[in-house]
Formats: sequence, structure tokens, C-alpha cells
Amino acid sequence: EVQLVESGGGLVKPGGSLKLSCAASGFTFSSYTMNWVRQAPGKGLEWVSSINSRSTYIYYADSVRGRFTISRDNAKNSLYLQMNSLRAEDTAVYYCARQDPNWNYVGYWGQGTLVTVSS
Amino acid sequence: EIVLTQSPATLSLSPGERATLSCRASQSLSSSYLAWYQQKPGQAPRLLIYGASSRATGIPDRFSGSGSETDFTLTISRLGPEDFAVYYCQQYGSSPLLSFGGGTKVEIK
Repeated sequence: EVQLVESGGGLVKPGGSLKLSCAASGFTFSSYTMNWVRQAPGKGLEWVSSINSRSTYIYYADSVRGRFTISRDNAKNSLYLQMNSLRAEDTAVYYCARQDPNWNYVGYWGQGTLVTVSS
Repeated sequence: EIVLTQSPATLSLSPGERATLSCRASQSLSSSYLAWYQQKPGQAPRLLIYGASSRATGIPDRFSGSGSETDFTLTISRLGPEDFAVYYCQQYGSSPLLSFGGGTKVEIK
């Protein structure tokens, strides 16, 4: 069974940093492109970042480029999101998401971890 | 930049009725990379449709997708009580790399 379990969320002050982790199991993690998708309270889904299986292709949404860094450790079956210079508008539930290699939809999602940026 | 616009924002229907949800892209998309998701409160989204018209594993056949280029539709033929939720379309491949529509809430009338 595919499982994606996020951790690392919490309350942080504006300008602060936080690192999210996603532990993957039940599939060959090193074969899949992974994404972070977020959802602000009461709002819709927003794609944040994507990393391919070998970390050779990395993409970011304009809203986080230069502040967030996605990475992965295939040996540890883990995905990460380093978030710096956090703003109130970064407050959201952050989902770890596995991308289908053929059709590029998000087939599997974690349960999400809440990041709250507030003073 | 591709923008996905979903309409209506809210759809008020009764159980058993037909729901028709629209997703319009600001530029032509590859149908292969258009997907639909369902999200219920407190839950992660669930994939319903991929490739514009292919149902995901385990999705009932009352859900169907259609469309091409800039206009896509998700149809729920007969609403069950469990279908009242928010629905999102998603595209892949154009700037931004991956993006979602703003969502359509299907609520009980």
C-alpha cells in the first residue's frame, strides 16, 4: 500500500524557516517524480514544487521560488521542503504528492501537515 | 501562464440529480494531462479522472470526463449523498508546470 506521511509543520514567525519531510513507503520511491502541493485555509489547491526521480529537474511556483527548496533522499525514501523567509500567505496545509509517470496526475497524496506563519 | 477557470463556483443540487462541472483553460491543453479530483472536508484530494476522460481505479461509472483543448467537463450522472464535495481540475505541462482550477463546490440543495 502506498503511504506518504508528512511531518515538520507547526507555528513559525514571519521571516522564519521550517523544513517539511515526507516519508514514503509501499512503492519504489526512487522511480517517481514527487511534488509539494499546498492549500490555504478555506482555499483551493496550489502546486508548490516538483522534483524528478534523480533530482535533475526541479521546478517551483513563482510564489515560492527563491525562498523554498525541494530535495529528496532516495536512500531514505524521503522528500523534503526547506521553507525560508516565510510569510503569512504561506500558511497552509502542505501535501506530499506522487506524480504518475505517464499521465502526470497526482495519484497519491499524504494526509498533509499544517504550517502556520504568524507573529 | 495557463489559468484554469472552473464554473460554477457552487452548484446546489439534490441527490439523484445530474451535475455538470466546467473547467476552462486560458490556452489549449493536451487532453492527456487534464485530471479531476474530489476533496471532502479534512481530507486530501482523491483522483477521479485522468487523461480528460479515463476513470481512476475504483471510481464509479457515474463519474465521467470529457472535453479537449480549452474546454473540459466533469459529469456526475446521478448524485449520491457521498458526492457532495469540492471538485478541482488540474493541468500538467504548461507554465506553471502543474496547476489547479479554483474548484467547484457541489452542495446539497
